[in-house]
Amino acid sequence: AQSVTQPDIHITVSEGASLELRCNYSYGATPYLFWYVQSPGQGLQLLLKYFSGDTLVQGIKGFEAEFKRSQSSFNLRKPSVHWSDAAEYFCAASGNTDKLIFGTGTRLQVFP
Amino acid sequence: EPEVTQTPSHQVTQMGQEVILRCVPISNHLYFYWYRQILGQKVEFLVSFYNNEISEKSEIFDDQFSVERPDGSNFTLKIRSTKLEDSAMYFCASGRLHSNQPQHFGDGTRLSIL
Repeated sequence: AQSVTQPDIHITVSEGASLELRCNYSYGATPYLFWYVQSPGQGLQLLLKYFSGDTLVQGIKGFEAEFKRSQSSFNLRKPSVHWSDAAEYFCAASGNTDKLIFGTGTRLQVFP
Repeated sequence: EPEVTQTPSHQVTQMGQEVILRCVPISNHLYFYWYRQILGQKVEFLVSFYNNEISEKSEIFDDQFSVERPDGSNFTLKIRSTKLEDSAMYFCASGRLHSNQPQHFGDGTRLSIL
């Protein structure tokens, strides 16, 4: 069955530290991959997407993600975290239909 | 930048009552979706809608649920007889094209069933 896994439920980092949020997928073929961010009381904002081509994709707010086919992973990274990055982050995938399958999310807490 | 808008932001309803959640997708988008997120759980797909008909639905989307695009701008989700377990955040999304274009989400409607 198709699935997306985010192994880390909660991550805490200090402001200015680097960040990596993990995402693994299980699909029959390489899916389209997305990262969304959800601030409290807000909707889901698209950070970045991977469809094909360059395996390192750049997104908004200084985020990037790297697609690794051999590891079935699409990890999100940011070199220096800001306090405003505190939010819930969702990895999602879609395949031959356009429904998105989401991971369970990773809550990011940033300490000053 | 164009947005998906959802109303109301919070809906409180008695169990067994009908509820309609409303969405205005981005104007040049052709594909429309509903998702829900029960508190503390993952976002789950409910239904996709294209060309005035349902293109895919999940197991959650049973006979109590229906969707409609009553005019050129609104997209609605109706729950005919609400249950306690329908309490969740409901997100509407829209997209220009199939699959390889990202879906844009609204801020959600929090539905509380009493």
